[in-house]
Amino acid sequence: QVQLVQSGAEVKKPGASVKVSCKASGYSFTSYGISWVRQAPGQGLEWMGRISAYNGNTDYAQKLQGRVTMTTDTSTSTAYMELRSLRSDDTAVYYCAKVTGIVALDYWGQGTLVTVSS
Amino acid sequence: DIQMTQSPSTLSASVGDRVTITCRASQSVSSWLAWYQQKPGKAPKLLIYKASRLQSGVPSRFSGSGSGTEFTLTISSLQPDDFATYYCQHYDSYSWTFGRGTKVEIK
Repeated sequence: QVQLVQSGAEVKKPGASVKVSCKASGYSFTSYGISWVRQAPGQGLEWMGRISAYNGNTDYAQKLQGRVTMTTDTSTSTAYMELRSLRSDDTAVYYCAKVTGIVALDYWGQGTLVTVSS
Repeated sequence: DIQMTQSPSTLSASVGDRVTITCRASQSVSSWLAWYQQKPGKAPKLLIYKASRLQSGVPSRFSGSGSGTEFTLTISSLQPDDFATYYCQHYDSYSWTFGRGTKVEIK
């Protein structure tokens, strides 16, 4: 069965960087993209960006341009999301999700809590 | 950017009620709209894609309709497991946009 397993919770200081991993199994990794979505405490869902696992092409949300980088390692079927220059309002649960052929998100990771605090 | 406006933001209903949630786009999005259900502390779950197509394994009491700028998610007979927050999501060129969510509460 399709599974996306994310790395564990992180606590970071303002200005630091965080890199979250998302290991996929149960499907052909390079046939689909991975999106990253975050959710601040008590808030709604915010799309961060997408990466094609086939060719590495990326699209990022405009507000995160320059601070976020998404990559994949096809040898281990793992996607990564790195966010730099962290601020307190980056505190959120970060989700990876598999992109279907009809541009919906059909399988999600369990989420990774990133806390930014001095 | 296309904005997605969901209404209501909160909805109180009883088991067995018919529930309708609306999502309006600031401009036409054709049928590129999905609906998700999220329960506290859990990842979202895909319910509906391409406006009206039921995701595999999702109960048939969930249905989606609409095209262009106005879309609805309907739960025909609300069940105890359906109390959750629901989000619409649009895909446009190279970005996704979520609505702000509708929380379905027990009346």
